[in-house]
Amino acid sequence: AQSVTQLGSHVSVSEGALVLLRCNYSSSVPPYLFWYVQYPNQGLQLLLKYTSAATLVKGINGFEAEFKKSETSFHLTKPSAHMSDAAEYFCAVSDRVSGGYQKVTFGTGTKLQVIP
Amino acid sequence: SAVISQKPSRDICQRGTSLTIQCQVDSQVTMMFWYRQQPGQSLTLIATANQGSEATYESGFVIDKFPISRPNLTFSTLTVSNMSPEDSSIYLCSPRLAETYNEQFFGPGTRLTVL
Repeated sequence: AQSVTQLGSHVSVSEGALVLLRCNYSSSVPPYLFWYVQYPNQGLQLLLKYTSAATLVKGINGFEAEFKKSETSFHLTKPSAHMSDAAEYFCAVSDRVSGGYQKVTFGTGTKLQVIP
Repeated sequence: SAVISQKPSRDICQRGTSLTIQCQVDSQVTMMFWYRQQPGQSLTLIATANQGSEATYESGFVIDKFPISRPNLTFSTLTVSNMSPEDSSIYLCSPRLAETYNEQFFGPGTRLTVL
């Protein structure tokens, strides 16, 4: 089964600084990869997804992620952090299982704190 | 995209009772996933439901505890039966739509507290 590992359960950055949230996946074949964001007391919102097209994926709110097969990574970045980016971020991978559908497995999440 | 609603948005229940959570989607759903997010933790898949067939449960989850219904292509329910405080979690429905096979959307969640 495929899985994802998110390095760092908590990340703090200053407002205006680079945001880097790390995600590594394990898979024998290129998977589908996702980043979701969860604001306090809200549901999950898709930030961006990789589905084997361009390796650099741009998402909403200025976020982007690069799929690097050689490193089995899909790190999330944003050039300049904003206070509104404070949230929890989940990396996820899709898993092809019997029956032809893909089960999505989530990482443990990274809470981003933005310091004014 | 899709508009997904869950009812109730939150509830406080007594031990031993049951709660049915409803999930309504404004688009046709190919598959419905139900997740649990315990306090401070990530999402754990409970079960996957195809319309017209029995739901498939993940390890550690059983139908008697979490029965699921999918009476049509836009609606599903998850029941948390014989609740205990350990069932206190956020429960999220997650539909996969016919036109977005590789993307999974999420409802706003139902925050359940069991006393």
